[in-house]
Amino acid sequence: EVQLLESGGGLVQPGGSLRLSCAASGFTFSNNAMAWVRQAPGKGLECVSGIIASGGSTFYADSAKGRFTISRDNSKNTLYLQMNSLRAEDTAVYYCAKAAPYHFDYWGQGTLVTVSS
Amino acid sequence: EIVMTQSPATLSVSPGERATLSCRASQSVGSNLAWYQQKPGQAPRLLIYGASTRATGIPARFSGSGSGTEFTLTVSSLQSEDFAVYYCQQYNNWPRTFGQGTKLEIK
Repeated sequence: EVQLLESGGGLVQPGGSLRLSCAASGFTFSNNAMAWVRQAPGKGLECVSGIIASGGSTFYADSAKGRFTISRDNSKNTLYLQMNSLRAEDTAVYYCAKAAPYHFDYWGQGTLVTVSS
Repeated sequence: EIVMTQSPATLSVSPGERATLSCRASQSVGSNLAWYQQKPGQAPRLLIYGASTRATGIPARFSGSGSGTEFTLTVSSLQSEDFAVYYCQQYNNWPRTFGQGTKLEIK
């Protein structure tokens, strides 16, 4: 059974940093591209970043460029999202999603990031 | 960035009836289009990929069609568990982009 378990969310002040993690199991993690998708309260879905299976290429939405860094450790079956210079508009539930190979076939339950003073 | 536009924003349909949801892309995405269902407090669930292929375990009452810039999701006979928000997503280009969602509500 595919499982994606996000962690690392919480309350952070504007300008602060957080590192999200997504622990994957039930599939060959190193064979799949992965992505982070967020959802602000009461709003729609936004794909903020993606990474290919090897980690050799990464992709970012304009809203994340220069502030967020996606990475993965295939030896630990874990996906990461380092978020710096956080803003109030980054407040959202952040989902980890598995690509198959391009659409997202499995999603985690999400971790809430709240940016507020 | 490819902009995805869904219509209508809200669709009121009675159980047992058919629902038709639309999605338009600002430029051609070929058949690189997926549909997701999201219920309150839950993660999205993949319904359709490749514009018309049902994901594993998705009932046959869900069907997708279209290519290029115009796409449709049809639910042939609505069940109580189908009332939710539906999103289309293109995966032809980065960044992957979603429509704003269509809320399917009970009439």
